[in-house]
Amino acid sequence: KNEVEQSPQNLTAQEGEFITINCSYSVGISALHWLQQHPGGGIVSLFMLSSGKKKHGRLIATINIQEKHSSLHITASHPRDSAVYICAISGGGADGLTFGKGTHLIIQP
Amino acid sequence: ETGVTQSPTHLIKTRGQQVTLRCSSQSGHNTVSWYQQALGQGPQFIFQYYREEENGRGNFPPRFSGLQFPNYSSELNVNALELDDSALYLCASSDVPSSYNEQFFGPGTRLTVL
Repeated sequence: KNEVEQSPQNLTAQEGEFITINCSYSVGISALHWLQQHPGGGIVSLFMLSSGKKKHGRLIATINIQEKHSSLHITASHPRDSAVYICAISGGGADGLTFGKGTHLIIQP
Repeated sequence: ETGVTQSPTHLIKTRGQQVTLRCSSQSGHNTVSWYQQALGQGPQFIFQYYREEENGRGNFPPRFSGLQFPNYSSELNVNALELDDSALYLCASSDVPSSYNEQFFGPGTRLTVL
């Protein structure tokens, strides 16, 4: 069983819709990362959080450490938000990030 | 400030060959981590280099090896290539050797093994 599970795997929505992507993990962590990957491969870090909630523009990330669960929300979605969104966890050591498989999001005009 | 760069962008090799991939870390970053991303999967941690030493390793065989240079750039070497080594190889740099900190990713090298 993968340590990091994301849902849904694929999501297609209309422009303007409120989007939620979920991430559950099964081990203790020091931080959880949300990243965005566009076609072609480049990965951009969106958030790193260890508690509570963070907001950047139309993106909001929350984490519940007790329930081992995090969500990424996109408000007023736009076609340029179309990408793969990946959740990753870190134990804090030199063991790299453990990634989920990603959620492929398509926002239609 | 220069971001993380990788070369080459694409590479085609045949089974049994050896390959070297290169990564230049972001200015001021002394730590480089390498990841392998198979099609449709999330990246998997290969290893991390900090101050020219391997500092952590994932579940990859010894034919995956690396180097880090005094300017903190890094190489990933893969010997005896197998078909399953076909993947996108990503490097990420950070300013401390801990996955707790934000990592900055390069654009990746897509390796195809025939």
